[in-house]
Amino acid sequence: GAVVSQHPSRVICKSGTSVKIECRSLDFQATTMFWYRQFPKQSLMLMATSNEGSKATYEQGVEKDKFLINHASLTLSTLTVTSAHPEDSSFYICSAMSGPYNEQFFGPGTRLTVL
Amino acid sequence: LAKTTQPISMDSYEGQEVNITCSHNNIATNDYITWYQQFPSQGPRFIIQGYKTKVTNEVASLFIPADRKSSTLSLPRVSLSDTAVYYCLVGDMYSGYSTLTFGKGTMLLVSP
Repeated sequence: GAVVSQHPSRVICKSGTSVKIECRSLDFQATTMFWYRQFPKQSLMLMATSNEGSKATYEQGVEKDKFLINHASLTLSTLTVTSAHPEDSSFYICSAMSGPYNEQFFGPGTRLTVL
Repeated sequence: LAKTTQPISMDSYEGQEVNITCSHNNIATNDYITWYQQFPSQGPRFIIQGYKTKVTNEVASLFIPADRKSSTLSLPRVSLSDTAVYYCLVGDMYSGYSTLTFGKGTMLLVSP
């Protein structure tokens, strides 16, 4: 149980285009999902907290207009990287919170490469 | 959230027991300690969680002393597939535990 999927697993796009990444909780409902970014050989950095039916809460330094988050249902959150640039190339990981201890279950990640 | 400190890296050999210690001097009363494992290009995977004393599951054991200012993840008889980065996190479960702050983690390298 508690499986989280992400789609796509990897994407390559041209600079200036927008890319949407989906995060789904497959066998549970999650009112709260999180989006992280991880650069090579670095730790995960929380970008934003996504709450179903409300606006996302962004961490300091993360541009909300660039990284659009939509949490339209209890099983799906999407992250759209708008007008992507090469510096946005990174590993994007989502997690979904569930269970009595608010445990976070992580997706497999999405490798974004912006040319 | 309490800050955590772990060794940057550790080396071991197959079949050995590995103990990774994490310091969290500012842990709060309601904080739980959670360990995650991450392989390259994959999301973190939950290993074990505890509040005090000892917790054991099929994968690992977690030792937490009485003052809770540190914790030790114990991996029995490691194999090559245990080579990964291990993260120790501390957070308040019942107030939401909503944000996880990942430290640098410990890169464990298991050799034949």
